[in-house]
Amino acid sequence: AQSVTQLDSQVPVFEEAPVELRCNYSSSVSVYLFWYVQYPNQGLQLLLKYLSGSTLVKGINGFEAEFNKSQTSFHLRKPSVHISDTAEYFCAVTPTGFQKLVFGTGTRLLVSP
Amino acid sequence: EAGVAQSPRYKIIEKRQSVAFWCNPISGHATLYWYQQILGQGPKLLIQFQNNGVVDDSQLPKDRFSAERLKGVDSTLKIQPAKLEDSAVYLCASSVGLAGGPPRETQYFGPGTRLLVL
Repeated sequence: AQSVTQLDSQVPVFEEAPVELRCNYSSSVSVYLFWYVQYPNQGLQLLLKYLSGSTLVKGINGFEAEFNKSQTSFHLRKPSVHISDTAEYFCAVTPTGFQKLVFGTGTRLLVSP
Repeated sequence: EAGVAQSPRYKIIEKRQSVAFWCNPISGHATLYWYQQILGQGPKLLIQFQNNGVVDDSQLPKDRFSAERLKGVDSTLKIQPAKLEDSAVYLCASSVGLAGGPPRETQYFGPGTRLLVL
């Protein structure tokens, strides 16, 4: 079975500072990997996804993530955060050939001035 | 392009009552998903439809939950009778649903229905 671990439940950071949100997964087969963002009282929105090819994936709003197969990680990064990036971030995995998306428990990013 | 619509946005009921949620996916999307998101957790897939057929309902508590998508467009999720532990946000999502596509496709989420069972 596949599982996703988001190591930090909450990450406080100051505006314009860099941030990394960590995600590790467990799977015995190849996977597709996703990061979704959830703003307060809204549904989830896709930030980026890794399907194949280049391990560095660029997404919306200046976010990027790097797939590391040997470390089974897919960490999300942004070089300079804004107040508006305050939200809950979810990492998700689905094994290739399967249908179900498995989400992590989320990391709350808190950006303060 | 209109997004995924859900109603109601909020619902408060007492345990043992019944409740129904409605979802209208993005026009043309063949795949529809219902997720349960309990406070402090990530969304958990309850059921996935491809057009009006069920692809996966392995995590749906079938003794109390039911879902249908009769015409392959909008969908309803029902809980009868509700329990305290059903308090959660119920998210509906849709994706294009090309053959072999869903594992790779972007899912578009609605705003969710927040259910409180007292």
